[in-house]
Amino acid sequence: AQKITQTQPGMFVQEKEAVTLDCTYDTSDQSYGLFWYKQPSSGEMIFLIYQGSYDEQNATEGRYSLNFQKARKSANLVISASQLGDSAMYFCAMRGGASKIIFGSGTRLSIRP
Amino acid sequence: GAVVSQHPSRVICKSGTSVKIECRSLDFQATTMFWYRQFPKKSLMLMATSNEGSKATYEQGVEKDKFLINHASLTLSTLTVTSAHPEDSSFYICSASRSLERSYNEQFFGPGTRLTVL
Repeated sequence: AQKITQTQPGMFVQEKEAVTLDCTYDTSDQSYGLFWYKQPSSGEMIFLIYQGSYDEQNATEGRYSLNFQKARKSANLVISASQLGDSAMYFCAMRGGASKIIFGSGTRLSIRP
Repeated sequence: GAVVSQHPSRVICKSGTSVKIECRSLDFQATTMFWYRQFPKKSLMLMATSNEGSKATYEQGVEKDKFLINHASLTLSTLTVTSAHPEDSSFYICSASRSLERSYNEQFFGPGTRLTVL
């Protein structure tokens, strides 16, 4: 069975600071993918970053980077130089062999000016 | 980028009525579509996987007769909530991928439909 765990229900960060959102996962699949999505109050799911289980380098997309620790089964999202517009719910997700994506419980990030 | 639309964005209905939600891939053909349900301040829960031209695969605990899913074409999947009750009130989100093999990082989400059952 696959499982995604996000242990931080909410976080407050000062604007311009970096923030790390934690995510651990569990799967018996050898090949899998890890995602991070942002969901603002409008409800839309915004894809941020993707990491394949066989990717040797950590994924980066602009201010977003994924700290992939395969042995620890963690896939933390790092947002550098946070902005007020980063305030939202953030979901870690995993795609396994069955192609479907399962989501963690989410972390609500609030950026303070 | 690929765009997925949902219609309606909001719907309010009376208890006992049926509601149909459409999910469309606007600029690509979606061989697979997924339907999620999200309660307030909660995560997305996968309800079913819909493949074009075949029956949907429902997740454990999801009532097939309650949530009817049809994927009649490569650009349209519909979710019908039959005989809706207040506990069916939720945010329903669909997503679409081009092909099963390439769905690793090509799953595009619709904007969601907020259903309120009175």
